[in-house]
Amino acid sequence: QQPVQSPQAVILREGEDAVINCSSSKALYSVHWYRQKHGEAPVFLMILLKGGEQKGHEKISASFNEKKQQSSLYLTASQLSYSGTYFCGTDFPNDYKLSFGAGTTVTVRA
Amino acid sequence: DTGVSQDPRHKITKRGQNVTFRCDPISEHNRLYWYRQTLGQGPEFLTYFQNEAQLEKSRLLSDRFSAERPKGSFSTLEIQRTEQGDSAMYLCASSRGQGVTYEQYFGPGTRLTVT
Repeated sequence: QQPVQSPQAVILREGEDAVINCSSSKALYSVHWYRQKHGEAPVFLMILLKGGEQKGHEKISASFNEKKQQSSLYLTASQLSYSGTYFCGTDFPNDYKLSFGAGTTVTVRA
Repeated sequence: DTGVSQDPRHKITKRGQNVTFRCDPISEHNRLYWYRQTLGQGPEFLTYFQNEAQLEKSRLLSDRFSAERPKGSFSTLEIQRTEQGDSAMYLCASSRGQGVTYEQYFGPGTRLTVT
């Protein structure tokens, strides 16, 4: 039930864009996105709910395709501070816990 | 809002010893989660509490693991007869509300090394 994230890693220069994908083999209720910097705790970025509601970081954008059971996180005009490992967490109807993907490591270089 | 705190931050123990970790959630949060994270992986769900009630425990969690949340405040995670495979970062998270539609706030984690 663990979601699959792609790509595993991406290297960007400041100002470039990237997309991180998260897909599930089961119908999803919500998708959560977190960013974790080395040696630190994961930090909440965004929740996307079935039906289109979103809650989260104003500068982060994401989409949730319910038919494809897939979510994408968009890093636009990347900054050095965007570096870290991004995890998606998924939950299913009537299942009140998150299953996290293996993460996508983003490195933004000056 | 002082955030989620965990204690200790690091623990080194010998195989076969028992260890206990503590998590203090954000005060108004009624949900508390425990996760385990190994290098290169995302957090793996272990168990969660709604107030003082433990509502679910991962099927992957052996009987050597036990968690409590007395009075719905702080929580403890105990590992008995530790094994080298238990070496990992143990993360605690809390959230308000009764579902997963609320963001989870993670603590800094306890890194366990079993020698």
